[in-house]
Amino acid sequence: QSALTQPPSASGSPGQSVTISCTGTSSDVGAYNYVSWYQQHPGKAPKLMIYEVSKRPSGVPDRFSGSKSGNTASLTVSGLQAEDEADYYCSSYAVSNNLGFGGGTKLTVL
Amino acid sequence: QVQLVQSGAEVKKPGASVKVSCKASGYTFTGYYMHWVRQAPGQGLEWMGWINVNSGGTNYAQKFQGWVTMTRDTSISTTYMELSRLRSDDTAVYYCARDLGSSVTTFLEYWGQGTLVTVSS
Repeated sequence: QSALTQPPSASGSPGQSVTISCTGTSSDVGAYNYVSWYQQHPGKAPKLMIYEVSKRPSGVPDRFSGSKSGNTASLTVSGLQAEDEADYYCSSYAVSNNLGFGGGTKLTVL
Repeated sequence: QVQLVQSGAEVKKPGASVKVSCKASGYTFTGYYMHWVRQAPGQGLEWMGWINVNSGGTNYAQKFQGWVTMTRDTSISTTYMELSRLRSDDTAVYYCARDLGSSVTTFLEYWGQGTLVTVSS
């Protein structure tokens, strides 16, 4: 059982925006800004897309943005493109288990 | 450029141990923590722990304590993850991943290509 809860799937048409949620507790997402998001294409290693809730590593398009409200973090992908189709995982630091991941969300570009 | 190159796929019998290596290049090896994450077939990501590459200190996820050992050899810029008493449900792709900061941030900026470990009798 994953530490964080994500919807198993999300979808959108090219050009649209999609938001993926990541729900934790007051002991992880709600307590720290150590939230990050990873993109994983089939057969590939994950790629860091967002860290510290809303920061983007160099090279990540600004179509990807992150936010947090209470115990729920969110990843928004704007201007959907075909190459955005992938699995997305959130993660958060927690005192109890150090680093937990969500179960993953499969994003489909229709 | 930063590169993490892992050792090749392994097939092990239940009860055996496996040791996966992760060779780093393109940055100061001792300047960053290294994490290990695994992913069972068709499943999500599971954090196993980190190693302070400078001091050798470790921090393992509670689930893996007593069962996993992370080490490093600074002379060859390589970290290792050894998992003992393997069971069939340890079949997974094992990744090393470098922390973004010089101290533990839990943001995994660079990843190895993954090593498939298959446990089967």
